[in-house]
Amino acid sequence: GQQLNQSPQSMFIQEGEDVSMNCTSSSIFNTWLWYKQDPGEGPVLLIALYKAGELTSNGRLTAQFGITRKDSFLNISASIPSDVGIYFCAGRVQGAQKLVFGQGTRLTINP
Amino acid sequence: DAGVTQSPTHLIKTRGQHVTLRCSPISGHKSVSWYQQVLGQGPQFIFQYYEKEERGRGNFPDRFSARQFPNYSSELNVNALLLGDSALYLCASSLVGGAGEKLFFGSGTQLSVL
Repeated sequence: GQQLNQSPQSMFIQEGEDVSMNCTSSSIFNTWLWYKQDPGEGPVLLIALYKAGELTSNGRLTAQFGITRKDSFLNISASIPSDVGIYFCAGRVQGAQKLVFGQGTRLTINP
Repeated sequence: DAGVTQSPTHLIKTRGQHVTLRCSPISGHKSVSWYQQVLGQGPQFIFQYYEKEERGRGNFPDRFSARQFPNYSSELNVNALLLGDSALYLCASSLVGGAGEKLFFGSGTQLSVL
């Protein structure tokens, strides 16, 4: 079945730093989505990508759909304390609605 | 407008028992999906329903079942609970269950099996 490898597993940064994380897949995906999950809550959708090469921003967040369609990247600029949480990538193959999730990247910000 | 709502928020059961989890989708959404999230991992797909019909099933045993009602709400049932069923169960909704749609998640039901 499809597998997503998300890296890094965890990040410890200073407030104000930029953050980069990525996901790679063994399969070609038609859709990539990035979610953020806080403790005790469900994932919240950050960015959705639908075309290879697409670059989409949501405030300080920017995500890209890799041209091979097997990877995606998320960047967070000028991190702030509320960015703390777990970030998940999720991919979807053609014709299917179910999402395959990565293992998550846990972001911790040192004050 | 209310988002995806799930009940209960927390549940404690013992091995061998049965559990029913409930979900109401975002108003206007007709498709509901269920995901299981074990601690430290990403969510895993269990079921998708649209217009009361099952549209997809993940790699879960037959102890897991679900249904969708005419008002588009949904129930997830798990029989003969095992310790390994302890997880956060997430419900997600979308407009019509299409492959290009965004999925919106509820806050989940935290199930503990003792």
